Amino acid sequence: DAKTTQPPSMDCAEGRAANLPCNHSTISGNEYVYWYRQIHSQGPQYIIHGLKNNETNEMASLIITEDRKSSTLILPHATLRDTAVYYCIVRVAWDDKIIFGKGTRLHILP
Amino acid sequence: KAGVTQTPRYLIKTRGQQVTLSCSPISGHRSVSWYQQTPGQGLQFLFEYFSETQRNKGNFPGRFSGRQFSNSRSEMNVSTLELGDSALYLCASSGSPGQGSGELFFGEGSRLTVL
Repeated sequence: DAKTTQPPSMDCAEGRAANLPCNHSTISGNEYVYWYRQIHSQGPQYIIHGLKNNETNEMASLIITEDRKSSTLILPHATLRDTAVYYCIVRVAWDDKIIFGKGTRLHILP
Repeated sequence: KAGVTQTPRYLIKTRGQQVTLSCSPISGHRSVSWYQQTPGQGLQFLFEYFSETQRNKGNFPGRFSGRQFSNSRSEMNVSTLELGDSALYLCASSGSPGQGSGELFFGEGSRLTVL
């Protein structure tokens, strides 16, 4: 079973920040949080990952709570091209089989 | 740097046949994992190979098998195809311990239709 819980769908207005939540209450100390997205009929694309600290790259920011039981992926200025299914995964970086949950289907509204 | 390449992209088979799918990872990557994606079950982990050894395996019947070659290229095979095997099969590569942080790079997939 997936170790994460995400809302099945979310809407966000174009140009606004999209905040996608993820619960991982059973995360262990050596497990990272990874985010991927899948645009229709394409292979999933890596977005960002983190262990304890907040992370930012050119695509998104990742905010991890202090107790590490939840995180939020932030797309700062959502565009129509960000319409996709977003997956939050926890795993030990080099071990563990990778279990995808159902993800969150993000709709960007024009 | 070339991405992950999967072949063939599309194929149609009939029940009872077998199929072999190929995956070429990103140059320098030694880990390859395979996933099955269907509308009903989502993305499901099949197996992972590292340096020609299967490291992890998902909950699929023995009809699903794989292997990895010394150049890190991988193949998966499905024997005695069933209608329910119709799916998008995705391959992902990642580096080695100490190389990156385990992020996966996916190919575009092989879409299998079983008639």
